[in-house]
Amino acid sequence: QQQVKQSPQSLIVQKGGISIINCAYENTAFDYFPWYQQFPGKGPALLIAIRPDVSEKKEGRFTISFNKSAKQFSLHIMDSQPGDSATYFCAPGNSGNTPLVFGKGTRLSVIA
Amino acid sequence: DAGVIQSPRHEVTEMGQEVTLRCKPISGHNSLFWYRQTMMRGLELLIYFNNNVPIDDSGMPEDRFSAKMPNASFSTLKIQPSEPRDSAVYFCASSFRPGIGEQFFGPGTRLTVL
Repeated sequence: QQQVKQSPQSLIVQKGGISIINCAYENTAFDYFPWYQQFPGKGPALLIAIRPDVSEKKEGRFTISFNKSAKQFSLHIMDSQPGDSATYFCAPGNSGNTPLVFGKGTRLSVIA
Repeated sequence: DAGVIQSPRHEVTEMGQEVTLRCKPISGHNSLFWYRQTMMRGLELLIYFNNNVPIDDSGMPEDRFSAKMPNASFSTLKIQPSEPRDSAVYFCASSFRPGIGEQFFGPGTRLTVL
């Protein structure tokens, strides 16, 4: 079942620009909303995560925005750098015994 | 901690051969996950264990795939017999809990079946 829809599939952004990746989910039981980052040849790694009690969380150039009513959350990368070029996955989950549900991924390329 | 350890890092085998992938999770983690990643299908969850017990293997593609976790520090994913369409990168990940908190991924095993 398609519990998580991530968009866009791929994204090209100029250096210094803003990258925005969106994730829509169906399961209202989700209460944990992370984004993972994967570089070529590596496993995914947690980038940033948010709980539903806040609408936004910022860590450096990375921000998660959460819209509970729309069942969406997004990743914003400010001042995008070539080193941010990677594949990004949303992976919502909950405190029960079901695992994180990974989206299909967004391949981001930041060009100079 | 050394992180999640997977072996081998690369495996090239011929169709019909048995393949065994190995994983050592991070000490103290209760949940272990096996994923497969391909360009076409993305990152797929194959099976996960909680406290060494298989909880959901609905992602295992066929009976040719099997996974075991005999103790808290070791898991295997076996493909017998292997087929060319099994070629992919296989990741093992571990966490304290299945659906919340950070999942730590290993470096992956790149499997090529000729």
